[in-house]
Amino acid sequence: KQEVTQIPAALSVPEGENLVLNCSFTDSAIYNLQWFRQDPGKGLTSLLLIQSSQREQTSGRLNASLDKSSGRSTLYIAASQPGDSATYLCAVRQGSNYQLIWGAGTKLIIKP
Amino acid sequence: DGGITQSPKYLFRKEGQNVTLSCEQNLNHDAMYWYRQDPGQGLRLIYYSQIVNDFQKGDIAEGYSVSREKKESFPLTVTSAQKNPTAFYLCASCDRANTEAFFGQGTRLTVV
Repeated sequence: KQEVTQIPAALSVPEGENLVLNCSFTDSAIYNLQWFRQDPGKGLTSLLLIQSSQREQTSGRLNASLDKSSGRSTLYIAASQPGDSATYLCAVRQGSNYQLIWGAGTKLIIKP
Repeated sequence: DGGITQSPKYLFRKEGQNVTLSCEQNLNHDAMYWYRQDPGQGLRLIYYSQIVNDFQKGDIAEGYSVSREKKESFPLTVTSAQKNPTAFYLCASCDRANTEAFFGQGTRLTVV
């Protein structure tokens, strides 16, 4: 059974720092991996989607990598800003029903 | 603008009452999903539908029911059989192919 783990559960860093969020999964038979952001009391906003055949995707200050063989993905945030404060979730898609399997998230706080 | 609309944003349920959460999408996606989110836990799948007039139970379907009479609509009913319904409910959709999942803004259900 697929298990997705996100470490750390919470992270607090000063503004301007570069940081890395981690996501690991136990079964490499995935279609893709998606990173989301969730603000308190809000829905999820898709940040980056990496297909299983890809190694990385970039959008602005965000860069996500995927190493399927080792079951790991990282989300790199450059030059962090207070507006980046949110919970970041990763999910892998697998199976004939294209189900998403979720990590519990990393709560990120960027201190001004 | 294309997207997913959930309503209402907040919903209060009395003991023994059934309530229905609305989810509408204009993205022309075949697949739609309902998730439940509790504090400190990952998202858990309640029901999903890959095509009109067809749906399947997810991991925590007991006490919930759905219908998929139209491609754009996937309402979720929380029945009186659901003993602990207080949670944040999220609706999502995606194409049946290997594409990005999109989410609504969520409905917060509270039992009073």
